[in-house]
Amino acid sequence: QKEVEQDPGPLSVPEGAIVSLNCTYSNSAFQYFMWYRQYSRKGPELLMYTYSSGNKEDGRFTAQVDKSSKYISLFIRDSQPSDSATYLCASQGTGNQFYFGTGTSLTVIP
Amino acid sequence: NAGVMQNPRHLVRRRGQEARLRCSPMKGHSHVYWYRQLPEEGLKFMVYLQKENIIDESGMPKERFSAEFPKEGPSILRIQQVVRGDSAAYFCASSPSNLRAPDTQYFGPGTRLTVL
Repeated sequence: QKEVEQDPGPLSVPEGAIVSLNCTYSNSAFQYFMWYRQYSRKGPELLMYTYSSGNKEDGRFTAQVDKSSKYISLFIRDSQPSDSATYLCASQGTGNQFYFGTGTSLTVIP
Repeated sequence: NAGVMQNPRHLVRRRGQEARLRCSPMKGHSHVYWYRQLPEEGLKFMVYLQKENIIDESGMPKERFSAEFPKEGPSILRIQQVVRGDSAAYFCASSPSNLRAPDTQYFGPGTRLTVL
């Protein structure tokens, strides 16, 4: 079983829609949960992260972690064409190693 | 302040040749991480280095792959006798210390290796 599982999509939504991206993880020792955005031919860029359970909001983006179900979510409100990218979830445990999902490709159609 | 630099951005090698990928961390960063990204597989951790030390190489293939981060100069990921399966995007990230908070780690633009 992979440490972090993510539905690869692709996901296509109209501009202004609410986007929900989800991942599951297997290791209950994971403590940090991250979302990265990666544009084509670029490196991953950290969007936001949470420590342990709970929600975190940053503008149009909300990250949620439910440790009881080992579920990680990212919600994007009022999606824009510029949000079109691949979104990677990741988790980190007690060491420095990050475990990434495979990424979900998102296209926001104007 | 320049970000993490990687070069070359694209590298083409024939089977059996050597590939050298370079990573210059952000100014003030002394910790470097290498990841490999294969289509459909996501980013996989390879190795974590500090200046002159390999801290964690649990993700490195046992043969043909090596990494170093000398006191002076960039970190180098070296792949000897490349095979087609080595074709991938290789990313490095750097951080200023061994602090574990994710927002201290920044990724470079990657090197895309193609093995013919």
